[in-house]
Amino acid sequence: QVQLQESGPGLVKPSETLSLTCTVSGDSISSHYWSWIRQPPGKGLEWLGYVYFSGSTNYNPSLKSRVTISVDTSKKQFSLKLKSVTPADTAVYYCARALGALYCSSTSCSKWFDPWGQGTLVTVSS
Amino acid sequence: QSALTQPRSVSGSPGQSVTISCTGTSSDVGGYTSVSWYQHHPGKAPKLMIYDVTKRPSGVPDRFSGSKSDNTASLTISGLQAEDETDYYCCSYAGSYTWVFGGGTKLTVL
Repeated sequence: QVQLQESGPGLVKPSETLSLTCTVSGDSISSHYWSWIRQPPGKGLEWLGYVYFSGSTNYNPSLKSRVTISVDTSKKQFSLKLKSVTPADTAVYYCARALGALYCSSTSCSKWFDPWGQGTLVTVSS
Repeated sequence: QSALTQPRSVSGSPGQSVTISCTGTSSDVGGYTSVSWYQHHPGKAPKLMIYDVTKRPSGVPDRFSGSKSDNTASLTISGLQAEDETDYYCCSYAGSYTWVFGGGTKLTVL
């Protein structure tokens, strides 16, 4: 059974960098895409980005300048860094495996997120 | 990239059917056959219910079904049960290897 577990500080000061790690068990990290998704209090879900085991990445255009996602296959972990945080970055952060087609075309991209971690609340406050 | 539009809430009585809509644009929902739906009990991990618009993962009851027409995708839950009461989110591929979620819908079983 594939399980994902987020870990990292629950409190980050404004202007600092938020850092989270997701540990994967029950599956090889050297396949699939691995994503970060967040949910601010009282709001909907927001896709942040993904990393492939090769290290290739892609990010939500609205956050692209602040987000970095990386993978450490030896530790079966992938990580999120979000720099220059503000209180608007307060959210529950989830990691998830992205299943489906390896590549996307101009008309099709079969991918979905399963499973997800339990999520970790990160509060941005001084 | 704007969030997909979902009704904030829907409700139905046990045994009835409800449909949750998810409206996007031709750049996301309308442009691809990659819509998925997630059930989210607060405090727990979101659970995949539907992928590729209409497909159900193993273990998901056939009471849950998905469809799409133009820029709007829909999740229909038939034979409502008390345990279906929670939040539901849609997600669509939005091109250039990016994804967008909906704002979420709270389902109340009366």
